Amino acid sequence: EVQLVESGGGLINPGGSLRLSCAASGFTFSDVYMTWVRHAPGKGLEWVGRIKSKTNGETTDYAAPVKGRFTISRDDLKNILYLQMNSLKTEDTAVYYCSTLKWLGLEVFDYWGQGTLVTVSS
Amino acid sequence: DIQMTQSPSSLSASVGDRVTITCRASQNIRGHLNWYKHKPGKAPKLLIYGSYSLQSGVPSRFSGSGSGTDFTLTISGLQPEDFATYYCQQSYSDLTFGGGTKVEIK
Repeated sequence: EVQLVESGGGLINPGGSLRLSCAASGFTFSDVYMTWVRHAPGKGLEWVGRIKSKTNGETTDYAAPVKGRFTISRDDLKNILYLQMNSLKTEDTAVYYCSTLKWLGLEVFDYWGQGTLVTVSS
Repeated sequence: DIQMTQSPSSLSASVGDRVTITCRASQNIRGHLNWYKHKPGKAPKLLIYGSYSLQSGVPSRFSGSGSGTDFTLTISGLQPEDFATYYCQQSYSDLTFGGGTKVEIK
């Protein structure tokens, strides 16, 4: 059974940093592109960024609002996905989900975690 | 970045109604468009991929169409379990979600 379990959320001051983790099991983590999505209160889903598999260079892509502040990485030995968030702003407040990407002729979001809440406030 | 605009942002409908949600891309995304259903506290569920292909296990009352910049999700015969928020999402260049359409009970 595929499981994705996020952790690391919490209350953080504006300008602070936080690292989220996503522990994966039930599939061959190293083969899969992984992504982070967030859901701010009262707003829609927002893609944060993606990391490709090692065989595809582990390249990363980010949405414009987080580019230069957030960094996605992966540890294929531990089956963990990370999201390092720096220079946090109040508008980064959201539930953060990790998700697997699947190829069906185009990328689709497949499995999702339960999410971890990040609150940026003074 | 490609922007995705959904309309309406919310709608009220009754069981049995036909519901249509539209999604417009800020540039040509060919057929690289997916639709998801999202209920509070649950993971989003893929309904349609590649504009019109029905994901395995999804009821046939869901259908998608469109290409280029304009896309449509239709629910033919709304069921109680269909009241949720629906998102379009493009995979042509990076990944972007639309703003969502909340389908509520009339």
